[in-house]
Amino acid sequence: GENVEQHPSTLSVQEGDSAVIKCTYSDSASNYFPWYKQELGKRPQLIIDIRSNVGEKKDQRIAVTLNKTAKHFSLHITETQPEDSAVYFCAASIIQAGTALIFGKGTTLSVSS
Amino acid sequence: KAGVTQTPRYLIKTRGQQVTLSCSPISGHRSVSWYQQTPGQGLQFLFEYFSETQRNKGNFPGRFSGRQFSNSRSEMNVSTLELGDSALYLCASSPTGRSTEAFFGQGTRLTVV
Repeated sequence: GENVEQHPSTLSVQEGDSAVIKCTYSDSASNYFPWYKQELGKRPQLIIDIRSNVGEKKDQRIAVTLNKTAKHFSLHITETQPEDSAVYFCAASIIQAGTALIFGKGTTLSVSS
Repeated sequence: KAGVTQTPRYLIKTRGQQVTLSCSPISGHRSVSWYQQTPGQGLQFLFEYFSETQRNKGNFPGRFSGRQFSNSRSEMNVSTLELGDSALYLCASSPTGRSTEAFFGQGTRLTVV
């Protein structure tokens, strides 16, 4: 089955810096890669997703890149703000097989001002 | 539109007991997935239901089971509880049977003593 590894497990940056979180997946059939943000005590919420027919997707300060050959995908956050502090999870799934998401173990991002 | 609703929010059970958790998806959503969240293992996929049928199953023992009703509401049952079952159980609903944004509920915090 699918396995998703996520690095780093913790990341501390200064406000205004960029943050990068990387994930690798094992199942070449996976074709949907969402990123979820979970603030303390709250539910996970989707912040951006990418499908395998796209190499990069941007939404304001957030971008995701996908390298299908290497089975890598990454989350890039620019101009970080204190409110970006949260746990970020990457995930992988196969669109046609349903909505089962296999998650990485998460990255705790701390942005200090 | 109401979000995903999980009940109860908190539960305390004794080892050996069984427990049933409930999830009401967003109106019109037909897919419900369940996840176990623990500090050490992150978010782990339990199972997914679509149109009352279990479509995908994660790597959990048979003590974990679920079902979905004709109104798309879902229940998850854990029998013969163990201390290691203490976790936050999250359900997520999606509108279709294909991977798209999954909307999470607030979760049920289960403590086994």
